[in-house]
Order: sequence, then C-alpha cells, then structure tokens
Amino acid sequence: AQSVTQPDIHITVSEGASLELRCNYSYGATPYLFWYVQSPGQGLQLLLKYFSGDTLVQGIKGFEAEFKRSQSSFNLRKPSVHWSDAAEYFCAVDEAAGNKLTFGGGTRVLVKP
Amino acid sequence: DVKVTQSSRYLVKRTGEKVFLECVQDMDHENMFWYRQDPGLGLRLIYFSYDVKMKEKGDIPEGYSVSREKKERFSLILESASTNQTSMYLCASRARNTGELFFGEGSRLTVL
Repeated sequence: AQSVTQPDIHITVSEGASLELRCNYSYGATPYLFWYVQSPGQGLQLLLKYFSGDTLVQGIKGFEAEFKRSQSSFNLRKPSVHWSDAAEYFCAVDEAAGNKLTFGGGTRVLVKP
Repeated sequence: DVKVTQSSRYLVKRTGEKVFLECVQDMDHENMFWYRQDPGLGLRLIYFSYDVKMKEKGDIPEGYSVSREKKERFSLILESASTNQTSMYLCASRARNTGELFFGEGSRLTVL
C-alpha cells in the first residue's frame, strides 16, 4: 500500500526566509504527487501537482516542488516566506488519477515576524 | 468557482446518537470522498464513491456508512456516535481521471 511521510510536524521560519517542507512516499511506480495547504479554519487548497515531465513544478503563491525519483521525495520550497504562509501543509500521493489520495501527516508552519 | 459545501461547520452530539454529515458539490464530479482529519495523523480516507449509488471503503470505514443517491450529494452517517469519532470531517470531490481534489471547509464534530 502506498504511504506518505512528512518528517517535520512543526517548522518555524522567519518572514522573508526560505522554506523547505519534506515529503517522502512509498510506492513502486511513479505516482501522482500533490501538495495542499490548509489555512486556519479553511478547507484544503491545491498548491501544485506532479504527474509527469519536468521534475520541478511551479505552483500558486510562489511555491515550487521537485520530484526526485531516486529519493522517493517531493519536497516543497518557497524562496521567501510571507506571514500569510502560516498554515498546515499536506503532501499527498495517488497511484493513478481518479483513485483515492493518500495524505501525509502534515507540517504546520509558523512564521515569525 | 467550484464549490463543495458541507452542511454543518460545527456539531455537538451525544454518545449513541445517529449523526448525518451532508456534502454537496456543484461541479458535476463523479468522484466524492469523506476524510477524517486528526492532529498528527493527516487526512485518513473513510469512504469514497465513484458514481451514484456506488461506494468503496477507505482506510478507516469502521463505525461509518455513506449514501450517494444523487450525483451531487454524498452523506456520511455515524450510526451510533462514539467519543473517538470526535474529529474534523472533510468532504472532497473530483472529476473522473483527473488529479485535483476540491475540498469543503470541514465539519467539526464533538461527541460527548
């Protein structure tokens, strides 16, 4: 069965600093990969997704993620964090579009002024 | 704008009560999902549906059932609520064979 691990439960970063959130998955083939963000009191919003092709994908709000097959990783990055980026971030994996997604445990990001 | 609407944002129920959580989507999506969200555990899939009157168990279906009588509506039912079902419940939908899930804002259920 596929699984997703987000090793960092909490990350605190200063406003303007860079951010990297880690995601590792367990699946035999190349899965479909997603990053979602959940702001306080809100549902989840898609940041970006990877299906195939270029391993560096751009998303909304200035985020990007890089798929590394050799490391089974799909880490999320942002060069300069804004206070509004404080939220919980979820990595998700799908073995094929149209099936169910499996989510990681989430990483909560706190942004210091 | 796509819209997934969950009927109740906050509910408080007593142990043993029957609970209905309703979800409606206006995007004509074939697939609908119910997830449960708990701190540190992320989102866990309870049930999903590929089409009207079809349902599939997810990873944690025990204590839950679902109903999908119409394409736009997917209901989660707790036949006899227990305190360990206190949680945030998230409904989502997506078109067949596409990637993105669209989520509702969630229903926070407290069982006393």
